[in-house]
Amino acid sequence: EVQLVESGGGLVQPGGSLRLSCAASGFTLSDYYMDWVRQAPGKGLEWVARSRNKANGQTTEHAASVKGRFTISRDDSKNSLFLQMNSLRTEDTAVYYCLRGDSSGYSDYWGQGTLVTVSS
Amino acid sequence: DIQMTQSPSTLSASLGDTVTITCRASQSVSTWLAWYQLKPGRGPKLLMYKASRLESGVPSRFSGSGSGTEFTLTITSLVPEDFATYFCQQYSDYPLTFGPGTKVEI
Repeated sequence: EVQLVESGGGLVQPGGSLRLSCAASGFTLSDYYMDWVRQAPGKGLEWVARSRNKANGQTTEHAASVKGRFTISRDDSKNSLFLQMNSLRTEDTAVYYCLRGDSSGYSDYWGQGTLVTVSS
Repeated sequence: DIQMTQSPSTLSASLGDTVTITCRASQSVSTWLAWYQLKPGRGPKLLMYKASRLESGVPSRFSGSGSGTEFTLTITSLVPEDFATYFCQQYSDYPLTFGPGTKVEI
């Protein structure tokens, strides 16, 4: 059974850093694209970042709103996906979801999310 | 960025009804469109991909159609577990973008 379990969320002050983790099980991480998507309170879903699979060089993409501040990475040997978030802003407050993606681009599994709150 | 819109934002229906949700893209996404179902306390569930392909395990009462800029998700014979929020996503181009969602309520 495919499972994605996010962790690492919490309360952080503006300008601070946080590292989210996603523990993947039930499949081989290196075979799949992986994404982070977030949903701010009362807002819609926003794609944050993508890590392509091993066959596609594990290259990454980041949304313009987080480029230069957030970095997606993975450790396939530990079946884990990460999101390093630096220079956090209040507008980064959201539930962050980890997603498994097909190479054509859609996501077939989502985690339950972890809440990040940026506030002083 | 490709903007996604959905209509209606809320849909009231009864058990056994057939409902249709529309998703529109600000520019063509070909058929690179997915539909998801969201229920409180759970991560979204993939229903359809490539506009009209049913994800494995999803009941056949769900169907999708469309290409280019206009797409529909149809649910026939609504059952209790279908009352949820539905949203579309284009994966034609970066940034990937989502529709705002349609809540199907009793």
